[in-house]
Amino acid sequence: GQNIDQPTEMTATEGAIVQINCTYQTSGFNGLFWYQQHAGEAPTFLSYNVLDGLEEKGRFSSFLSRSKGYSYLLLKELQMKDSASYLCAVMDSNYQLIWGAGTKLIIKP
Amino acid sequence: GAVVSQHPSWVICKSGTSVKIECRSLDFQATTMFWYRQFPKQSLMLMATSNEGSKATYEQGVEKDKFLINHASLTLSTLTVTSAHPEDSSFYICSAAGLAGYNEQFFGPGTRLTVL
Repeated sequence: GQNIDQPTEMTATEGAIVQINCTYQTSGFNGLFWYQQHAGEAPTFLSYNVLDGLEEKGRFSSFLSRSKGYSYLLLKELQMKDSASYLCAVMDSNYQLIWGAGTKLIIKP
Repeated sequence: GAVVSQHPSWVICKSGTSVKIECRSLDFQATTMFWYRQFPKQSLMLMATSNEGSKATYEQGVEKDKFLINHASLTLSTLTVTSAHPEDSSFYICSAAGLAGYNEQFFGPGTRLTVL
């Protein structure tokens, strides 16, 4: 079956760095997405990786290793507004998005 | 970026009534639209995928006669929850894909349905 694993919850301190990991097993691979979702709102796009390596976009970076079925989202200089759920999703061979359950990130002052 | 709207943003209805939710891509043509449901503290669950002009493809366990999807144009898809019951209360989110050269779904703001 297809499976996306990510931690349920993480806590970090304002100003610090946090890394959210995601491992996946899917039938085919057409890219991995990270989305941010604040409570009661729809997800918003953060990043898309289809090749191995690190993609940096401001305070957020996303890494992909296809051979290991592994990705991480790195958030630097954490701000209170970064408190949200972070969803990892993989597009399979049928171009369907397979979603992880999300990681709830709690930022403390 | 691409903008997707949903209407209404929230709705409260009585058990047994039907509710229609609209999803519109405002500045691009969406060849494919997706309907998701999300219960509190759970991840998104794909309900169905619809392509313009063809019948929707429903995920296993989703009743196609209860959740009617129409994708009549490249900018509009509708989800009708027929004979709604309290267990249908959820956050319904649509997304649209179609920008050339990019496999990304753009999400609408969601519709919170409460069935009394």
